[in-house]
Amino acid sequence: QVTLRESGPALVKPTETLTLTCTFSGFSLSSIGLCVGWLRQPPGKALEWLALIDWNSDQYYNTSLKTRLTISKDTSKDQVVLILTNMDPVDTATYFCARAYRDYEFSFDYWGQGTLVTVSS
Amino acid sequence: QSALTQPASVSGSPGQSITISCTGTSSDVGNYNLVSWYQQHPGKAPKLMIYADNKRPSGVSIRFSGSKSGNTASLTISGLQAEDEADYFCSSYAASSTYVFGTGTEVTVL
Repeated sequence: QVTLRESGPALVKPTETLTLTCTFSGFSLSSIGLCVGWLRQPPGKALEWLALIDWNSDQYYNTSLKTRLTISKDTSKDQVVLILTNMDPVDTATYFCARAYRDYEFSFDYWGQGTLVTVSS
Repeated sequence: QSALTQPASVSGSPGQSITISCTGTSSDVGNYNLVSWYQQHPGKAPKLMIYADNKRPSGVSIRFSGSKSGNTASLTISGLQAEDEADYFCSSYAASSTYVFGTGTEVTVL
């Protein structure tokens, strides 16, 4: 059974750095064809893709946010970490991690429940 | 990466069919056969409904179908049911292993 769960702070201050952890089970991120991505959704708004890391540790980023984002994985812990620097109130959103699978042409087939991050002083 | 354009809302009566459009560009929707559709109920995580333009993952009802023409993809829900009331988002691969999502459509079952 595939599951993903996001964890991290619910509140961060402007200019601070956000670190989120995605802990998953039911698959290995060292298996060819598997990736984990991060996405976010501001309250009442659309989804936005942020970053993706694949089985080969190759990283891919939203070009608009690339300078602020870092994605990494710890295969031994079945975790993927997202770092977003210089947080701003516009970064307030629910952050999701999700699995992308080659058999589904790298669409996101399993998602975590999301974690709401509020940026406020 | 500009968001794909979707209608803000679509509605239909139970049993009817509705279609949601998703318009992109020749750099994303029109250039790859990699449009996905997600269903999201309030407060829940999105669920993959269609991938690769028109393929259904196992377990997704055959009432959901995808198509594409040029830079516009479409999701059709046939035999509309109360449980289909949700937000729907399209997504497309957009070169260099990046993704772009749509603006989202609220489906209301009258």
